[in-house]
Amino acid sequence: GNSVTQMEGPVTLSEEAFLTINCTYTATGYPSLFWYVQYPGEGLQLLLKATKADDKGSNKGFEATYRKETTSFHLEKGSVQVSDSAVYFCALSDRSGAGSYQLTFGKGTKLSVIP
Amino acid sequence: NAGVMQNPRHLVRRRGQEARLRCSPMKGHSHVYWYRQLPEEGLKFMVYLQKENIIDESGMPKERFSAEFPKEGPSILRIQQVVRGDSAAYFCASSPPAQGKASGANVLTFGAGSRLTVL
Repeated sequence: GNSVTQMEGPVTLSEEAFLTINCTYTATGYPSLFWYVQYPGEGLQLLLKATKADDKGSNKGFEATYRKETTSFHLEKGSVQVSDSAVYFCALSDRSGAGSYQLTFGKGTKLSVIP
Repeated sequence: NAGVMQNPRHLVRRRGQEARLRCSPMKGHSHVYWYRQLPEEGLKFMVYLQKENIIDESGMPKERFSAEFPKEGPSILRIQQVVRGDSAAYFCASSPPAQGKASGANVLTFGAGSRLTVL
């Protein structure tokens, strides 16, 4: 079956530090890959996505590249801010179109950024 | 434009009681999805509903769990005779009607979740 493994948290960084949150996956076929973010007290929001190998998703300074050869989709940001403090979830969908609501999620990584 | 609203945010039940979790989708969204996050695990798909129809319940436990999305009102996830293993965070998501390539996971909007604790 499908699975997503992401690095254990919590992660604590100082403001302006470089962020990497590792994510690797196991899936049949060619899944679509996602990063969701959950800010305190809010719902999960789609942060970025990539639908095929070598695609790079980016948003709000965050980036992740779909690496088929290493089955990875690591999340990076060059300079984090306090407002980036949240829980980050890596997810995949191995179905297209109307079936792609069945996401497989990682456990989430809590990021705390201190001034 | 309110997002996906879930209530209650926290619910405590004793073993054997019933739990009802409610989800109001985003305005204009007619599809609702329920996910469960057990402790130390990722979110897992449970059920997909449209108004008055269950489209896919392949992730629902076979017993004690049911879901509905009536013509009027919120979607309800109902857990009868709760056990300690039901303690989890339950997330609802919604999406607009399927529109070709715009359908599916690309447009899921999640709520903040309801945390159920069974004593």
